[in-house]
Amino acid sequence: DAKTTQPTSMDCAEGRAANLPCNHSTISGNEYVYWYRQIHSQGPQYIIHGLKNNETNEMASLIITEDRKSSTLILPHATLRDTAVYYCIAIDRGGGNKLTFGTGTQLKVEL
Amino acid sequence: GAVVSQHPSRVICKSGTSVKIECRSLDFQATTMFWYRQFPKQSLMLMATSNEGSKATYEQGVEKDKFLINHASLTLSTLTVTSAHPEDSSFYICSARDWDSFNYGYTFGSGTRLTVV
Repeated sequence: DAKTTQPTSMDCAEGRAANLPCNHSTISGNEYVYWYRQIHSQGPQYIIHGLKNNETNEMASLIITEDRKSSTLILPHATLRDTAVYYCIAIDRGGGNKLTFGTGTQLKVEL
Repeated sequence: GAVVSQHPSRVICKSGTSVKIECRSLDFQATTMFWYRQFPKQSLMLMATSNEGSKATYEQGVEKDKFLINHASLTLSTLTVTSAHPEDSSFYICSARDWDSFNYGYTFGSGTRLTVV
């Protein structure tokens, strides 16, 4: 799976949009971009995924650049409960691939 | 949606004893499960891939005789930490892939906090 690069940490004010970037410049055509988050002392939680098109669900929006080399996860109205480590991962869904985690982005939502 | 149940959530054991952690897929069958370990302020590190009915595949540097993995059914994988030492204290997390889910993604258990004293 392609390597991804994310900022180590970000801060966001509660109620504002949190925009978390991810670089995946070596992503292949078969690889999807998945986002997970891990709240302290819990297992990772699925957020959203996409291949080429932008995606939106009840949790977040995912914006993927046209060349697919980067993406941005958007939490439209961040709350304190969104404080977590966010992981961006490129996954080839065709294989039974093991999932490798990078260092992720520690998002801290503050009042 | 897919649910993975992991037990116990927290365990304290004495040095030299063994501890078993269970990982169950509750509403789907998982031919493959994954075990991770996470130290404080670090990312998840894959330890091994558990395959139903066959031997687990361990990542480089992970002692297979110390971390015994059994995947005897399509819904259960166990990780046994044998002869535990304080340096084995960590957060252990399992995951499984639900091929029938809308996102073909990986679902994670809630983790097990192991403390060896």
